[in-house]
Amino acid sequence: QVQLVQSGAEVLTPGASVKISCKASGYTFTSHSIHWVRQAPGQRLEWMGWIIAGNGLTSYSQTLQGRVSITRDTSASTAYMELSSLDSEDMAVYYCARELNEGGNFDFWGQGTLVTVSS
Amino acid sequence: QSALTQPASVSGSPGQSITIYCTGTSSDVGGYDYVSWYQQHPGSAPKLLIYDVTYRPSGVSHRFSGSKSGNTASLTISGLQAEDEADYYCNSFTSSRTYVFGTGTKVTAL
Repeated sequence: QVQLVQSGAEVLTPGASVKISCKASGYTFTSHSIHWVRQAPGQRLEWMGWIIAGNGLTSYSQTLQGRVSITRDTSASTAYMELSSLDSEDMAVYYCARELNEGGNFDFWGQGTLVTVSS
Repeated sequence: QSALTQPASVSGSPGQSITIYCTGTSSDVGGYDYVSWYQQHPGSAPKLLIYDVTYRPSGVSHRFSGSKSGNTASLTISGLQAEDEADYYCNSFTSSRTYVFGTGTKVTAL
């Protein structure tokens, strides 16, 4: 069965960077893109970016451009999302999601990773 | 990229039908048939309900249906049930080859 398992919760100070992993299983990793979505407490879903797992091409939200980087390790079937220069507005649950096929149809999601930013 | 516009809340009596609208622009909703809808219960990850405007993934109830007209997409829930109480989000591909979610709608069964 398809599963996306994310790394655990993080507590960081303002200005630091965070790198979250998303390990995929149950399907051919390179056949589907991986997207990252975050949700601040009580707020809406926010799309962050995606990576085409087959060739590594990426696209990012204009709002986060320059601070976010998505990579993948095909040998480990794992995608990574790194966000730099953290501040309080980056406190959120971060999700990875598999795209079924082109069009933003995110059919499987990770369990979410809570990132807390506090001095 | 601004968020797609959804009503903050929609309510209905059990058994009724309700519709949630998602308004964008010709650069997103109106320009592509890549609109999807997600249901999210508190404390849980979102669940895909509709993709490519009208398609339902296997396992999703037939009570959920999607459509689009111009720059506005819609999700209809027929035969509203208590278990449908959740937050709902639309999502669209954009001309920048990015994606954007809607502002979210809280559905309440009265």
